[in-house]
Amino acid sequence: QAVLTQPSSLSASRGASASLTCTLRSGINVGAYMISWYQQRPGSPPQFLLRYMSDSDKQRGSGVPRRFSGSKDASANAGILLISGLQSEDEADYYCMTWHSSAWVFGGGTKLTVL
Amino acid sequence: QVQLQESGPGLVKPSETLSLTCTVSGGSISGFYWGWIRQPPGKGLDWIGNFYQSGSAGNSPSFQSRVTMSVDTSKNQFSLRLGSLTAADTAVYFCARWTNCGGDCYYLEYWGQGTLVTVSS
Repeated sequence: QAVLTQPSSLSASRGASASLTCTLRSGINVGAYMISWYQQRPGSPPQFLLRYMSDSDKQRGSGVPRRFSGSKDASANAGILLISGLQSEDEADYYCMTWHSSAWVFGGGTKLTVL
Repeated sequence: QVQLQESGPGLVKPSETLSLTCTVSGGSISGFYWGWIRQPPGKGLDWIGNFYQSGSAGNSPSFQSRVTMSVDTSKNQFSLRLGSLTAADTAVYFCARWTNCGGDCYYLEYWGQGTLVTVSS
């Protein structure tokens, strides 16, 4: 089972909100892990969006709009990337990443489609 | 603004060794955490390895025995060598810089544009 699991795709309407999940493998407690999120548009390298450890330890990337935010859902053992006020330009692949067992690990990515 | 640019062959033969170089501009290599990530066509991101300019390094278990990384601070460049190539190594290879956010906290702040490497005879 992968360390980080992301749904392969998600669709949401323009102007709505999208919640992208990054679920940690059973036995790995999300509360102990800093999750960072990256956006990748076709033909471009990934770009850092934000990192989230807790409400008191979080950071958005330079120039990243405030409508991108991070959180955790302890009950689901998942990191969350919330995008509010969806825009067409948000259509992209989104990856989560963390450090686990002396390795950098990526989730498989979620392709977000903005309808 | 820190910029990274990968360079190297676009086509290599199976069983050969891939050599890629990352040139850093707009900042020094010294004192930072650098590394390589790849992305097979149509697939997700895979971490290959990292190093500190000071010398400590770590590689993904998936590549452990095939990877060598080096740095040339005089040229502000670092390099990747990946041996025993197969078609499964066909991917876009990114060089990147991790930024420290305090203690053991790091995130990938800077990425190169990526270079496509095809392994084929």
